[in-house]
Amino acid sequence: EPEVTQTPSHQVTQMGQEVILRCVPISNHLYFYWYRQILGQKVEFLVSFYNNEISEKSEIFDDQFSVERPDGSNFTLKIRSTKLEDSAMYFCASSEEGTLSSGWFFGPGTRLTVL
Amino acid sequence: AQSVTQLGSHVSVSEGALVLLRCNYSSSVPPYLFWYVQYPNQGLQLLLKYTTGATLVKGINGFEAEFKKSETSFHLTKPSAHMSDAAEYFCAVTRLGGYNKLIFGAGTRLAVHP
Repeated sequence: EPEVTQTPSHQVTQMGQEVILRCVPISNHLYFYWYRQILGQKVEFLVSFYNNEISEKSEIFDDQFSVERPDGSNFTLKIRSTKLEDSAMYFCASSEEGTLSSGWFFGPGTRLTVL
Repeated sequence: AQSVTQLGSHVSVSEGALVLLRCNYSSSVPPYLFWYVQYPNQGLQLLLKYTTGATLVKGINGFEAEFKKSETSFHLTKPSAHMSDAAEYFCAVTRLGGYNKLIFGAGTRLAVHP
């Protein structure tokens, strides 16, 4: 069964450093998403991406964040200058059509720890 | 705006006992409701969803949920817990239209003991 994969599973970085979280969505999917979950808090929507551009972003997704689909398979989330409060589990998701019928498929997450 | 509240961050049941995980939602438009499960070191997996039609929805692994509009609830139940049900469960809501971001609750960690 096809699945969404994410690397690394755990990333530790120093405050102020840049990090790139990588996702490989399911191959025929067209809609891509990043969510995050700070420990003990809700899973929060960050950004959706379709047709090589951001379709929607939350207020969390400020200028420090960017997304890219550099090739036909990867979908990345970059944080330019990490802050302590960026420590969280980051989930990637993809959807064939972004609809209720096609549904959303989530990866296992990357745990980011900012020291 | 839409939101989800999951009552109880941790629930513990005995094997064979009823599982009840609570979810209440807030939505100004007809909601579409979901339950996801996350097993350790795995992604979020869809358990079941309510879109329209029958308000009692059956999902995988013997779980079901009932949409109650009057109570703005979508509680998840399973008649008899199994050890393998131990996981984190997330309730989520979305609406029709747009690119359909999911709004999640904080999650409930279910522990099942012998």
